[in-house]
Amino acid sequence: GEDVEQSLFLSVREGDSSVINCTYTDSSSTYLYWYKQEPGAGLQLLTYIFSNMDMKQDQRLTVLLNKKDKHLSLRIADTQTGDSAIYFCAERGSGGSNYKLTFGKGTLLTVNP
Amino acid sequence: EPEVTQTPSHQVTQMGQEVILRCVPISNHLYFYWYRQILGQKVEFLVSFYNNEISEKSEIFDDQFSVERPDGSNFTLKIRSTKLEDSAMYFCASSPRTGLGTFFGQGTRLTVV
Repeated sequence: GEDVEQSLFLSVREGDSSVINCTYTDSSSTYLYWYKQEPGAGLQLLTYIFSNMDMKQDQRLTVLLNKKDKHLSLRIADTQTGDSAIYFCAERGSGGSNYKLTFGKGTLLTVNP
Repeated sequence: EPEVTQTPSHQVTQMGQEVILRCVPISNHLYFYWYRQILGQKVEFLVSFYNNEISEKSEIFDDQFSVERPDGSNFTLKIRSTKLEDSAMYFCASSPRTGLGTFFGQGTRLTVV
């Protein structure tokens, strides 16, 4: 079945770049997503990448996809204290009548002033 | 900006009682989902709903669970006889026709005592 793995913790200093990594197993994944969850809040869709792309940039966020290695990363440039949250990687299967997501356990990003 | 709304934000119930969690998905979306997140664990898929029927369900979604879209706007999750292990954050989500992007509500924290 599908599986998504992430490292659990990352700590950076304010102003540095953060890189959060993710690996997945389902080679039929069509889209890969990054979600942000602040304490006590829901899941905010940050960005996504289609599986035939290598890179996507969206303001401070850069997503890199290595489809051969099934490796996804999220880079946050100029990390701010407001970026402190849990970041979830999720993969979406090929669809049909269903676009269910399989999530990783989440990476807790701590940004130190 | 359109959003998925869930009520209540927190529900406490006694073991064995029935609960109904309510959601209003984004209005022009066609795919609807329930996910849950037990404290400290992954976000897990429960069920997807499309064209007025369940399109996929996980093994968690047993006979105690049911979903309904009673009118054009609400989407509900019913747990018939709650167990302690049903305590979790329950997220409703929806996707548009293209399936591009899955948008989550703020969640309902269910506590079974």
